[in-house]
Amino acid sequence: DQQVKQNSPSLSVQEGRISILNCDYTNSMFDYFLWYKKYPAEGPTFLISISSIKDKNEDGRFTVFLNKSAKHLSLHIVPSQPGDSAVYFCAAPFLGGGSQGNLIFGKGTKLSVKP
Amino acid sequence: NAGVTQTPKFQVLKTGQSMTLQCAQDMNHNSMYWYRQDPGMGLRLIYYSASEGTTDKGEVPNGYNVSRLNKREFSLRLESAAPSQTSVYFCASSDQRRRAGDIQYFGAGTRLSVL
Repeated sequence: DQQVKQNSPSLSVQEGRISILNCDYTNSMFDYFLWYKKYPAEGPTFLISISSIKDKNEDGRFTVFLNKSAKHLSLHIVPSQPGDSAVYFCAAPFLGGGSQGNLIFGKGTKLSVKP
Repeated sequence: NAGVTQTPKFQVLKTGQSMTLQCAQDMNHNSMYWYRQDPGMGLRLIYYSASEGTTDKGEVPNGYNVSRLNKREFSLRLESAAPSQTSVYFCASSDQRRRAGDIQYFGAGTRLSVL
C-alpha cells in the first residue's frame, strides 16, 4: 500500500502566526518526501523536501519535520504571510520498478493566511 | 526561462469530440508526466514517460493516449471526450538523475470542460 494522506482539507491562520500542515503516509519504505505549493490558476511548485534519513529540514520560514515511527510529517511556516495562502501538497516517490521518479500526491490542504 | 509550457490554457469540448493537449519542456529533462486534478482528489497520474521513446500508464489512464514526440514534447490525447474528463490537466517534467526525491516541474495547466 502506497498512500500519502492529508486529512485536513483547509487551514486558516492569522498573519504572523505559525501554520502547521500535516501529512501521513502508509508505507515505511518511502525514502523521500516533498512539499509542493499551488496558487490558483498556476501549476504546483516545489517548496521543500526531506530525506527519510533526516528528521528535520529547514529553508527560511519553512521547516519540515519527519516522524518515521508515526509515519507522519509536517510543514511549519513561521511566520505566516498572506502570500503563503495556497494549496499545499505532500508527495512521496512511488516505490516500484520501472516507475522511477513518479510521485504519489496527497489531496492537498488549502491554507488561508488572514491579515 | 519558460520551463514547462502547456497549450491550450482553456478548452471546451462536446461529448465525443477529440483533442490533443500539448506539453513542451526546455530543461532537457528525461522524464515527463501528465496529471489530472479534480476537486478533493489531489493530483492523479494519467501517463508518464521515463525517457524519450517510452510511455507507461499511471493511476488513471482510461480514455487517454499519449505520445512522447521527442525529448522536449509529450502530448495527451482524448479520443472521445466524456464529461468525466472535465478536469484541470497538468504536465510535469523531471531530471531523474537520482531515484529518490526527484523534483518535478509543472506547467500552468489546461482547464478542460466536456459538455
